Amino acid sequence: DIVLTQSPVLAVSLGQRATISCRASQSVSISSINLMHWYQQKPGQQPKLLIYRASNLASGIPARFSGSGSGTDFTLTIDPVQADDIAAYYCQQSRESPLTFGSGTKLEIK
Amino acid sequence: QVTLKESGPGILQPSQTLSLTCSFSGFSLSTSGICVSWIRQPSGKGLEWLATICWEDSKGYNPSLKNRLTISKDTSNNQAFLKITSVDTADTAIYYCARRGFGVWGDWFAYWGQGTLVTVSS
Repeated sequence: DIVLTQSPVLAVSLGQRATISCRASQSVSISSINLMHWYQQKPGQQPKLLIYRASNLASGIPARFSGSGSGTDFTLTIDPVQADDIAAYYCQQSRESPLTFGSGTKLEIK
Repeated sequence: QVTLKESGPGILQPSQTLSLTCSFSGFSLSTSGICVSWIRQPSGKGLEWLATICWEDSKGYNPSLKNRLTISKDTSNNQAFLKITSVDTADTAIYYCARRGFGVWGDWFAYWGQGTLVTVSS
């Protein structure tokens, strides 16, 4: 299985940039197609798709969110961070089955 | 508008079979490229993909649950189902159904249901 590693917690100040990383145990890219996706989950809610294929913004998601990366290293950036962004963020790979998720990064406000 | 809603027994005893239903609208599981998946999340923990069924009736399962999973669909009634046999307390979780994205490499989860809590307890 492809293991995705995320830092458990990230603390940032409001208005600053948050950079959330996800490292895969093997490449999740096929040629130029990067099969990494990002979700936001607020307490008591279902996950919400933010970014698909590493850098594509999902419908209705503010442009403050962006994604980048290829191969094994991927990043979700939130700039600027707002109070409503307090949540857990998960990466997910679809390079191979079983589909796997990272363990999540909780975004906290300093 | 795409919506999904899960339903289940709420609580069941160890060794029983868990039956879950995903009722959806805004798309059809007979449309090319459409797939529905089940994902679960124990309280306070991360997400685990369980199974996927697609428009042409292909199915995929997480090997970690070995042969305990069965996914199926009722295209006419816009429903997908998941059965998990021989449940134990480790199967206590919120169970979500979700619809995949688009295209050949579209195995992300674009739409999610609100989830249904399943508790396994004697």
